[in-house]
Amino acid sequence: GQNIDQPTEMTATEGAIVQINCTYQTSGFNGLFWYQQHAGEAPTFLSYNVLDGLEEKGRFSSFLSRSKGYSYLLLKELQMKDSASYLCAVAPPSYQLIWGAGTKLIIKP
Amino acid sequence: GAVVSQHPSWVICKSGTSVKIECRSLDFQATTMFWYRQFPKQSLMLMATSNEGSKATYEQGVEKDKFLINHASLTLSTLTVTSAHPEDSSFYICSARLAGLGIEQETQYFGPGTRLLVL
Repeated sequence: GQNIDQPTEMTATEGAIVQINCTYQTSGFNGLFWYQQHAGEAPTFLSYNVLDGLEEKGRFSSFLSRSKGYSYLLLKELQMKDSASYLCAVAPPSYQLIWGAGTKLIIKP
Repeated sequence: GAVVSQHPSWVICKSGTSVKIECRSLDFQATTMFWYRQFPKQSLMLMATSNEGSKATYEQGVEKDKFLINHASLTLSTLTVTSAHPEDSSFYICSARLAGLGIEQETQYFGPGTRLLVL
């Protein structure tokens, strides 16, 4: 079957670093996405990894290990506005993304 | 770039009426558009996939006669909720995928969503 796992909720402190993990088991792989979704809003695109390694984009970085079926999103210098749900999604060879349930990140002062 | 709009952003309607939601890609052509539904505190649920000029592909459990999808052009897809009932109240979100290659072809860009409340 096809499955994506990520923690339901995480809490971190403003200014700190947090890592949100995502593990997946899918039939085929054509890349992994991370999206951010603030409460009551639609998701916004953060990153796309298709090759192993770390992709850095400002305060956010995303890592992928295809052999382990594993990815993480790393958020540095956390700000209160980073409080949101973070969705991991895998693109199988077909065009439909397979979505994780999302990780709700709570930032405390 | 890659901006997707949805209209309306809010709809309140009486039970039994039909509601049309528009999804437009403003600065790119979208070969494929997706319609999602999200209930409070739940994950995105894909309802259907629409390709320009062809019939939409519906996910299991989604009634195609109730949720009518039309993808008339590379920049516009519409979702019509027919004979809406209170249980159809939800957050409806569309996304569009660029007509291109590589990452652009895989990435979905989301509209801001439409909140539907059926009384």
